[in-house]
Amino acid sequence: AQSVAQPEDQVNVAEGNPLTVKCTYSVSGNPYLFWYVQYPNRGLQFLLKYITGDNLVKGSYGFEAEFNKSQTSFHLKKPSALVSDSALYFCAVRDVNYGGSQGNLIFGKGTKLSVKP
Amino acid sequence: KAGVTQTPRYLIKTRGQQVTLSCSPISGHRSVSWYQQTPGQGLQFLFEYFSETQRNKGNFPGRFSGRQFSNSRSEMNVSTLELGDSALYLCASRGQGYGETQYFGPGTRLLVL
Repeated sequence: AQSVAQPEDQVNVAEGNPLTVKCTYSVSGNPYLFWYVQYPNRGLQFLLKYITGDNLVKGSYGFEAEFNKSQTSFHLKKPSALVSDSALYFCAVRDVNYGGSQGNLIFGKGTKLSVKP
Repeated sequence: KAGVTQTPRYLIKTRGQQVTLSCSPISGHRSVSWYQQTPGQGLQFLFEYFSETQRNKGNFPGRFSGRQFSNSRSEMNVSTLELGDSALYLCASRGQGYGETQYFGPGTRLLVL
């Protein structure tokens, strides 16, 4: 079965410092990986995705993620954190085991990012 | 393009009642998926519709059902509501092709009393 793990419930960072939110995955076949952010009482906003190609993926709001096949990881990073980055971050993998159809997303439990001034 | 819209945004119901939630996808998107988000279980997949047909289904009881109309708008119905159905219900749409991104609506917050 495919799965995603976000080992940290919360990450605390000082404004201006780099941030990393960790994600590891388990899939059969090629992974389609996604990062979403959720602000309080809002839906999920798409940040970036890895389908194929360059292992370093750049996304919205200055975020990027590095796909590492040997470590089965897809960590989200940002060189300089902002207070406004404080939110809940979800890593997801597309479940492609539905008889050839494109499948739904399987989400990690989420990581709360707190950026202090 | 306008994003995914969901109505209503908030609902309060009592146990035993039923509820219908609505989702309008991004124009041109024919796939609509529904997810339930709770503090305890996180984000869980309910079902996906494509061209008015249910394509995938998550592990939820039959009280949870949905449908999709010819204009790709989708509705989700929960019958005989239970307290544990209190959650944020998220709808997402995407285009066709592998690797297409799912875009989410703002959600409907359901409180069952």
